Amino acid sequence: EAQVTQNPRYLITVTGKKLTVTCSQNMNHEYMSWYRQDPGLGLRQIYYSMNVEVTDKGDVPEGYKVSRKEKRNFPLILESPSPNQTSLYFCASSLGGVPLNEQYFGPGTRLTVT
Amino acid sequence: GESVGLHLPTLSVQEGDNSIINCAYSNSASDYFIWYKQESGKGPQFIIDIRSNMDKRQGQRVTVLLNKTVKHLSLQIAATQPGDSAVYFCAENRMDSSYKLIFGSGTRLLVRP
Repeated sequence: EAQVTQNPRYLITVTGKKLTVTCSQNMNHEYMSWYRQDPGLGLRQIYYSMNVEVTDKGDVPEGYKVSRKEKRNFPLILESPSPNQTSLYFCASSLGGVPLNEQYFGPGTRLTVT
Repeated sequence: GESVGLHLPTLSVQEGDNSIINCAYSNSASDYFIWYKQESGKGPQFIIDIRSNMDKRQGQRVTVLLNKTVKHLSLQIAATQPGDSAVYFCAENRMDSSYKLIFGSGTRLLVRP
């Protein structure tokens, strides 16, 4: 089954404790992206990757890091999480191209930072 | 600043009626627009897209209309069903930042039985 998977689905952590949210897709997509979703603000793009070893900032990259060492994986790293990073996070992938094609979204990761 | 937004945060319709969800955008350079549906507890799901060289595109029970003159986008759902209850987002792909997707804040569609 073609899908985007994220782990963990739920995470409660404390300020400053480094964490990684994994994202994997099995569709051989070139483009992958991370979004955060907050009430009243919709989805905001954090980082995206056009292909392996190619990443770029979205609209809200501060406090996040990403890597794209393999085509299928695109982990989101919070080196020192803060309470304002409490949010619902979505990973997405698509074939790529310009303009963007249909994106497939993962199920989401709900992160709480206390 | 430039943004993609929605006129109505909540839309309530009777089952069987048609629904119209609206979206305004402010960047005339935008090339590609997408509508997503998000059900509770799930990630957004692609519904339909339209490129700026088109005015209308139809899918199964859905139609997207693009009015470039007034920078307006709408999603029409025919014969709305309870399963259509969700939050709907429009998203914009801007030509000057081709790999970014800008989402609106969403409209919640409630279908009354």
